[in-house]
Parts: sequence; structure tokens; C-alpha cells
Amino acid sequence: GIQVEQSPPDLILQEGANSTLRCNFSDSVNNLQWFHQNPWGQLINLFYIPSGTKQNGRLSATTVATERYSLLYISSSQTTDSGVYFCAVVGGRSDSWGKLQFGAGTQVVVTP
Amino acid sequence: DTGVSQDPRHKITKRGQNVTFRCDPISEHNRLYWYRQTLGQGPEFLTYFQNEAQLEKSRLLSDRFSAERPKGSFSTLEIQRTEQGDSAMYLCASSLGVAGVEQYFGPGTRLTVT
Repeated sequence: GIQVEQSPPDLILQEGANSTLRCNFSDSVNNLQWFHQNPWGQLINLFYIPSGTKQNGRLSATTVATERYSLLYISSSQTTDSGVYFCAVVGGRSDSWGKLQFGAGTQVVVTP
Repeated sequence: DTGVSQDPRHKITKRGQNVTFRCDPISEHNRLYWYRQTLGQGPEFLTYFQNEAQLEKSRLLSDRFSAERPKGSFSTLEIQRTEQGDSAMYLCASSLGVAGVEQYFGPGTRLTVT
């Protein structure tokens, strides 16, 4: 199946700093989503971005499908940005049934 | 428009007992997925429904696990004879349309087997 690798595994930021999270995938994709998992375990949708660039407030994301990677940018980080960020993809094969394959996540800690 | 809901949110059970979880997808979403997440890992796919048909089951889903989606609306996931290794967060997601569209997740059911 498709492989998804996220880097870095851990990130410690001071409030106000900017950061970039990376997601590499091993094959063509029909879907790529970025999620933020809150302390209670719920996955919050950040971006649906199989290709191109999107922005939502202080967050933005870029996917370069031809080069098989996606980037999530966090600008002017706040303590509420702390948590685990997941990248998940749906492989482009016809038998994937739309199931998401998740990376291992990036644990982000923003300190005051 | 309400999101995906799951019930219960937490379940503590003794080894060997049976448990059942419920997922209510976003109204009119035809696709429903179950995932499982253990501590420190990303969620892993368990099974998938398109309307009422269960179209794929992961090898993670042993014979002790069964899932249903009667009438293509809510879904249930039952685990029989629970084991300590079943302790995890069980997540449900739904989507509308074809494969590759955005999936929306519920809050999850956290299962602890003692």
C-alpha cells in the first residue's frame, strides 16, 4: 500500500514562531488531508488539498502531487496550536475504496 | 448540519466481555469508515461501507470484530470477547460521493479493556 512519512516527528516552538511540517507519500493520490488532533482525540479537518495551495488564517498548505509531498505552514504560532498534526492520503489505485492512509504525525508543542 | 457523532465516548470493560459502538454519520453521507488508533500512532483503517454494503475489511479486523450499517444510515462496531490489545480509540468517518473526497471524523470512542 501507499506509504506516508511525516517530518519532523516532534517540534517545539516558542509562541509567535513560524514552522513547516512535511508529508511525503510514495504513490499518486486522490485525496490528501491535514488534520489537527485535539487533546480529547478528535481529528479536526484543516485542509483537503490533493494538489495546489490553500490558506486558512495563520495556516496554509501546499501539495505538489507530481513530486509526492505536501507542506503545512503554521505562522505566528499560538499555544492553542499544540497537538498532533496528521497527514493522510487516499491512494490513486482503483481498489483503495477511499480509505485514508495516515502518517505517524508530528507532535507540536508551543510554549508561551 | 451536525457532524459525525459516536456513542459512547468512553468505555471501560473487562477482558472477555462484548462491547458495541455506534456511529451516526453526517446526514446523507453514503460512505462510512471505521479506523482504530492506538497510543502514539496514526489511525489505521478497519472497514468501509458504501450505503449498507460493507465493501472492504482490513486484516486488522479479526473474527471477533463485526460491523454493520443497516439501511445505510448509522453503523455499529461490535467486539466480542475483548482482549487487552483491543484498547484503543475507535474513530468513525463519513464522506459523500466518490472515493477521494474529504472525510469528516467523529469524536471517537475510547475503549479500555482491563
